[in-house]
Amino acid sequence: NAGVMQNPRHLVRRRGQEARLRCSPMKGHSHVYWYRQLPEEGLKFMVYLQKENIIDESGMPKERFSAEFPKEGPSILRIQQVVRGDSAAYFCASSPNTGFANTEAFFGQGTRLTVV
Amino acid sequence: AQSVTQLDSQVPVFEEAPVELRCNYSSSVSVYLFWYVQYPNQGLQLLLKYLSGSTLVKGINGFEAEFNKSQTSFHLRKPSVHISDTAEYFCAVSGHQGGKLIFGQGTELSVKP
Repeated sequence: NAGVMQNPRHLVRRRGQEARLRCSPMKGHSHVYWYRQLPEEGLKFMVYLQKENIIDESGMPKERFSAEFPKEGPSILRIQQVVRGDSAAYFCASSPNTGFANTEAFFGQGTRLTVV
Repeated sequence: AQSVTQLDSQVPVFEEAPVELRCNYSSSVSVYLFWYVQYPNQGLQLLLKYLSGSTLVKGINGFEAEFNKSQTSFHLRKPSVHISDTAEYFCAVSGHQGGKLIFGQGTELSVKP
């Protein structure tokens, strides 16, 4: 059973371009979470999705950022018109259900976005 | 709202010495508590978690943590560290309904020979 797969591992974008980050959850997991880790900081929650639904987007910046988790295929975190401040590591996690009492969230290795 | 504070940003320690990484949390509701480890350029791996019951929780790689409700703390300990324990350690909380994890700022553990 492969773990959470994120691609690309490294992404370089020029200011103003779009960045698309992909996350394939573990098999059987229908819950996906995106986190952002800025340099020298901890992980900050961005968005929580189930298949075709956004459950909690309280951590998403109001502009330029969007996320989806379609019925088929990976979850996508999209950043439009990137700026240097978007440079960070973006981590995806997945879990089979919403509670952590009987399971845990498994993390991918992250996508490191660099905006030049 | 919940928050997590890791009191030490960096902890240098010699190999085979004991170590304690401190974590305090704030929440108006009951929470689950977690410790994750992040090796360089890797994702996060769960070390241990506290759900309920015994306040002393044992995890992987010889780590353990103690939940102290009165002090709202969940400190991580290891009696004898190895070079391979050098990594970033994150304390986190979640509500009982699940969903998002709230992370502390992280503690960089550096084990020296």
